[in-house]
Amino acid sequence: EAGVVQSPRYKIIEKKQPVAFWCNPISGHNTLYWYRQNLGQGPELLIRYENEEAVDDSQLPKDRFSAERLKGVDSTLKIQPAELGDSAVYLCASSLDRGNTEAFFGQGTRLTVV
Amino acid sequence: AQSVTQPDIHITVSEGASLELRCNYSYGATPYLFWYVQSPGQGLQLLLKYFSGDTLVQGIKGFEAEFKRSQSSFNLRKPSVHWSDAAEYFCAVGAGTNAGKSTFGDGTTLTVKP
Repeated sequence: EAGVVQSPRYKIIEKKQPVAFWCNPISGHNTLYWYRQNLGQGPELLIRYENEEAVDDSQLPKDRFSAERLKGVDSTLKIQPAELGDSAVYLCASSLDRGNTEAFFGQGTRLTVV
Repeated sequence: AQSVTQPDIHITVSEGASLELRCNYSYGATPYLFWYVQSPGQGLQLLLKYFSGDTLVQGIKGFEAEFKRSQSSFNLRKPSVHWSDAAEYFCAVGAGTNAGKSTFGDGTTLTVKP
């Protein structure tokens, strides 16, 4: 069974440019999460989806970040425009449902903004 | 608000030696506690979790953790470390059984000497 798939693995962009990350969760998993992991820190939840509905986006900087999960399957996280401080690893995870005890993580996208 | 402290940023142990990684949490109610491992370039993998019951929990890869309410701790242990255990370890505390909603510590990097 395929795990959580993220692309691209690495991305280098200039500040003020837009960038998008894509995530395909494990088949059948209704809950999807996006995290940001800064260097030397643990992951911080940005947004959580239950199917296609964003149910927790309190930590998402809405002035420049947006996310969507059309049809409740794969998801895209976008930053526009990117700032130097956005350099981090962006992790996607999924779980069977909101009550499930385990979240499965993808390998992440390492973003460098120069 | 819940929080997690991992006091040791970096730990080095010799292969075959025992290991203990410390985790202290702050949470007003019964915590849901998790340990994850992250190998370089990989996503996070759940090692073990504690919700209730026996305070000594067994996980994958020979790891165990002990919940001590009086000390607000959930330390991870392994009796004999293997070179493949070198990775970063994250402790997390959640408000429920949904692991994806947890608050993560900043991690402890484990180096294993031959």
